[in-house]
Amino acid sequence: QQEVKQSPQSLIVQKGGISIINCAYENTAFDYFPWYQQFPGKGPALLIAIRPDVSEKKEGRFTISFNKSAKQFSLHIMDSQPGDSATYFCAASRDTDKLIFGTGTRLQVFP
Amino acid sequence: GAVVSQHPSWVICKSGTSVKIECRSLDFQATTMFWYRQFPKQSLMLMATSNEGSKATYEQGVEKDKFLINHASLTLSTLTVTSAHPEDSSFYICSAGDDKGGYSNQPQHFGDGTRLSIL
Repeated sequence: QQEVKQSPQSLIVQKGGISIINCAYENTAFDYFPWYQQFPGKGPALLIAIRPDVSEKKEGRFTISFNKSAKQFSLHIMDSQPGDSATYFCAASRDTDKLIFGTGTRLQVFP
Repeated sequence: GAVVSQHPSWVICKSGTSVKIECRSLDFQATTMFWYRQFPKQSLMLMATSNEGSKATYEQGVEKDKFLINHASLTLSTLTVTSAHPEDSSFYICSAGDDKGGYSNQPQHFGDGTRLSIL
């Protein structure tokens, strides 16, 4: 019930393309869903986050789509750039509780 | 934006040594800080939750006597790996909860990690 499943494990996209990473959860008590970006040797950096009262949130080239009934959420990176090459983690939490992280997706964007 | 500073970024020491890692929230106060461990190409594994002025809460399987956590102020938490051995070598990352958004502990802001190598 505490698990967050993330797919794909790795993703290769051409420059300018759309990168899509998916996550699914079981615990309906989760009410906060962030995405983090991590470069090698660095800590994760918060990209964008969503609450379950909205179905979509957009910040620049990054969009979260949230499907409450399906218990799924996804990250879309529009116009992907080589600088977006990193590992992306989805996560979920319940109110004041700890974050539950997905397994991570390694994104490579080729010129 | 909210900044979390972690020090040192890299440490190499001999087996049996104790190592202290500091985590500071630079521009916000953090009632709660979290300590994670990350193995290469794996996700973050939560080790413990640190609350200012009280004892840390450890995740199942994490030895509290091996990994000592102190959260003495609203801007500083420390993790001490006691009598470190090669199997303790890992990437340790802290995070601090920023509750200005109205939800306690969220969002969490992460430090840049400490790479610990025990010889």
